[in-house]
Amino acid sequence: DGGITQSPKYLFRKEGQNVTLSCEQNLNHDAMYWYRQDPGQGLRLIYYSQIVNDFQKGDIAEGYSVSREKKESFPLTVTSAQKNPTAFYLCASSAGRIQETQYFGPGTRLLVL
Amino acid sequence: QKEVEQNSGPLSVPEGAIASLNCTYSDRVSQSFFWYRQYSGKSPELIMSIYSNGDKEDGRFTAQLNKASQYVSLLIRDSQPSDSATYLCAAGANAGGTSYGKLTFGQGTILTVHP
Repeated sequence: DGGITQSPKYLFRKEGQNVTLSCEQNLNHDAMYWYRQDPGQGLRLIYYSQIVNDFQKGDIAEGYSVSREKKESFPLTVTSAQKNPTAFYLCASSAGRIQETQYFGPGTRLLVL
Repeated sequence: QKEVEQNSGPLSVPEGAIASLNCTYSDRVSQSFFWYRQYSGKSPELIMSIYSNGDKEDGRFTAQLNKASQYVSLLIRDSQPSDSATYLCAAGANAGGTSYGKLTFGQGTILTVHP
């Protein structure tokens, strides 16, 4: 089955801790994205990558970091600098150059202990 | 700052009625538009995309685009309780734009279809 997987489904972070959210896709898509969604709100772009070994900051990148070492993987680290990390995190991918349509993974819900 | 605004909700319609969801966008560069449906606690799923002025129909769903008015809408005919969800509108710059590959999302409209 082709698709996007995210893990874990739920993640708990302690004060001062860095945590990493996983995102993997087997759609052979070039572009991948990370969004944050707070209750009752739309999606805000954290980081995006259109090619391996390259990525750009989105609208709310502070307190987050990413890497894109493989085409199929785009992990997101929520650092201790992110003071309000509780949110629903969504990973998406698109074919990129020709097709902008983005397809989403199931999401990771991050909670602070 | 690109903005996508959706009509304020929540929107409540009776079963069998037509639900009308509206969206305006501020960036004239926007060329591609998407409607996503998001059930509570789930991730968004694509309903329709539209690129040209006019109507595009897919089953009970019709997307309408008016680039001159910078307006896009989604009509759901014969609404069912299973259509109850949050609907997200998104705009993209399409090929050649500096924001290539990025989408700007609206805040979403909550739709409730009651029996």
